[in-house]
Amino acid sequence: EAGVAQSPRYKIIEKRQSVAFWCNPISGHATLYWYQQILGQGPKLLIQFQNNGVVDDSQLPKDRFSAERLKGVDSTLKIQPAKLEDSAVYLCASTPPGGNTEAFFGQGTRLTVV
Amino acid sequence: AQSVSQHNHHVILSEAASLELGCNYSYGGTVNLFWYVQYPGQHLQLLLKYFSGDPLVKGIKGFEAEFIKSKFSFNLRKPSVQWSDTAEYFCAVNARDTDKLIFGTGTRLQVFP
Repeated sequence: EAGVAQSPRYKIIEKRQSVAFWCNPISGHATLYWYQQILGQGPKLLIQFQNNGVVDDSQLPKDRFSAERLKGVDSTLKIQPAKLEDSAVYLCASTPPGGNTEAFFGQGTRLTVV
Repeated sequence: AQSVSQHNHHVILSEAASLELGCNYSYGGTVNLFWYVQYPGQHLQLLLKYFSGDPLVKGIKGFEAEFIKSKFSFNLRKPSVQWSDTAEYFCAVNARDTDKLIFGTGTRLQVFP
């Protein structure tokens, strides 16, 4: 079975620019998560979708970050404008419906803001 | 609110020493518990998981963890570490009713030969 796909793998932008990341979860997986992992820290949950609805976005900096999951499949995470402190790996993960299973992670997108 | 604490931020051991990394969580409902490992420059890899049943779970590479419900703990253990275990270890908690999955801040393990 195909895994969680993310693109791009790497991105370098200047501060104040905008950037978008894309995630394609495993087919049939209802829950999709976006995490931000700053170097040396644990993954921080930014937003959780259940199908195309937002379940939790309490840690998403909504003044600059936005995410959507149209049609309950693919998802995009956008940062506009980017700040230096947004440099991190952005991880996407998904889980199937029914619970009692681990999350499956994508390779991540490493963002460097200069 | 759901939270995860990892008290050991940095652990340094010699090869063959025993390892125990602490993980405590806070949540009022039923949870699934996980330990992930991240080797230098690599991605998260699942070490082991607990959903229900025997509270002592065994994972890959000789790791095991014990769920103690009364203490809200899920400590990771290995009887004899190797240099190749040098990595960052993350405890994670998934709340079954919301499916929210959060991670601890991680423990950096360095093993010297």
